[in-house]
Amino acid sequence: IVMTQSPLSLPVSPGEPASISCRSTQSLLHSNGYNYLDWYLQKPGQSPQLLIYLGSNRASGVPDRFSGSGSGTDFTLKISRVETEDVGLYYCMQALQTPNFGQGTRLEIK
Amino acid sequence: QVHLAQSGAEVKKPGSSVKVSCRAPGGTFDRDAISWVRQAPGQGLEWMGGIIPALGTAKYAQKLQNRVTITADASTYTAFLEVSSLRSDDTAMYYCATGPYYDFWYGEHASRDFYFYGMDVWGQGTSVIVS
Repeated sequence: IVMTQSPLSLPVSPGEPASISCRSTQSLLHSNGYNYLDWYLQKPGQSPQLLIYLGSNRASGVPDRFSGSGSGTDFTLKISRVETEDVGLYYCMQALQTPNFGQGTRLEIK
Repeated sequence: QVHLAQSGAEVKKPGSSVKVSCRAPGGTFDRDAISWVRQAPGQGLEWMGGIIPALGTAKYAQKLQNRVTITADASTYTAFLEVSSLRSDDTAMYYCATGPYYDFWYGEHASRDFYFYGMDVWGQGTSVIVS
């Protein structure tokens, strides 16, 4: 399964919304009803952290300005109001087969 | 946030092996899967493989399965990643991470598979340089 993110670079002003797209070459929807798609953020110099799992479930401690949506092959991560601490690389990861990540989207503050 | 405790940085010669450890809370060993993810300098994330300690079952990325072995020692709550026949392109930061897994049976021959997802606790990373 190939994961394609867009855009690869995302300059955003503080307080503005941001959106990242992730597309897979095969459906990530399992017969159990779950989409096996996660979103991770890697802040500069840090280990990755989980933001969203199973397509739309916010991980513990993740601010509610982050949301995940989509099903099948098309998914979106939205940040309702970007803060300076949101800078970093955002990755989607499919988990339906042997997991693999998208190329990453670099969010920077304008 | 709780982190997983990984072993220290390594410098290895090409052709040798490296073994990296990852100590997890006891509850993790009973409940979760442990994955290994690496990141070459300036590159993206690559899932290498994972293990479900409670089942003793490991799964590997196809391109690495001939050189990677993942094990777990329940007596010390420690998972291990061993990479053999090291090459310069194995130079990377290696992370362990824990999360849930989905266990299911399928097909007329009752095959079993596991989905590793939702990696919510990560180690601090172990630098491995092959030179």
